[in-house]
Amino acid sequence: EAAVTQSPRNKVAVTGGKVTLSCNQTNNHNNMYWYRQDTGHGLRLIHYSYGAGSTEKGDIPDGYKASRPSQENFSLILELATPSQTSVYFCASGDGTGGTGQLYFGEGSKLTVL
Amino acid sequence: QQQVRQSPQSLTVWEGGTTVLTCSYEDSTFNYFPWYQQFPGEGPALLISILSVSDKKEDGRFTTFFNKREKKLSLHIIDSQPGDSATYFCAASKGSSGNKLIFGIGTLLSVKP
Repeated sequence: EAAVTQSPRNKVAVTGGKVTLSCNQTNNHNNMYWYRQDTGHGLRLIHYSYGAGSTEKGDIPDGYKASRPSQENFSLILELATPSQTSVYFCASGDGTGGTGQLYFGEGSKLTVL
Repeated sequence: QQQVRQSPQSLTVWEGGTTVLTCSYEDSTFNYFPWYQQFPGEGPALLISILSVSDKKEDGRFTTFFNKREKKLSLHIIDSQPGDSATYFCAASKGSSGNKLIFGIGTLLSVKP
């Protein structure tokens, strides 16, 4: 069974504070992704990675950084959190080639920035 | 700019009825179209997918149709059940982009008994 775990599951942060969302996968997948989910916008890609040491910008990268220190771990970093970053964040892993293949999502991290 | 447009945003059907969700896209290089199902408090999970070389794929009560000429796809759920109540996302990706999926905004489906 594919497994993607996120931490923390819930986080309340203050404006201007630093937030780190962590993701761990045991699927040995090369690709990992961070999405945010907002009503009316669906799932939007923030950053993604094709392997340890690599990160790529997604469609909405402003205000976010990403880190992929190993095959298993992928972090999303908000250096200066803002209320507009209040959202539910999902991490996913996948090993498709040629643009196909299943993504396995974690259960989400709900972030509230006050 | 929404690259994958999905409608309706919400839908209520009666138990036993047929649910139809639709999506459209502009980029003709998209070639993989999955549908993801998400229950409250959980992450999305793959429900069914189709490649652009096919026009129909069926999995039990779920069927996805693809129309390359019109750049449209749809998800049909026959004999809808209350347990099908969830949010459904269509998505698209290109052959050159790994698993980089572009998602629609989602449809919140409620199936009433």
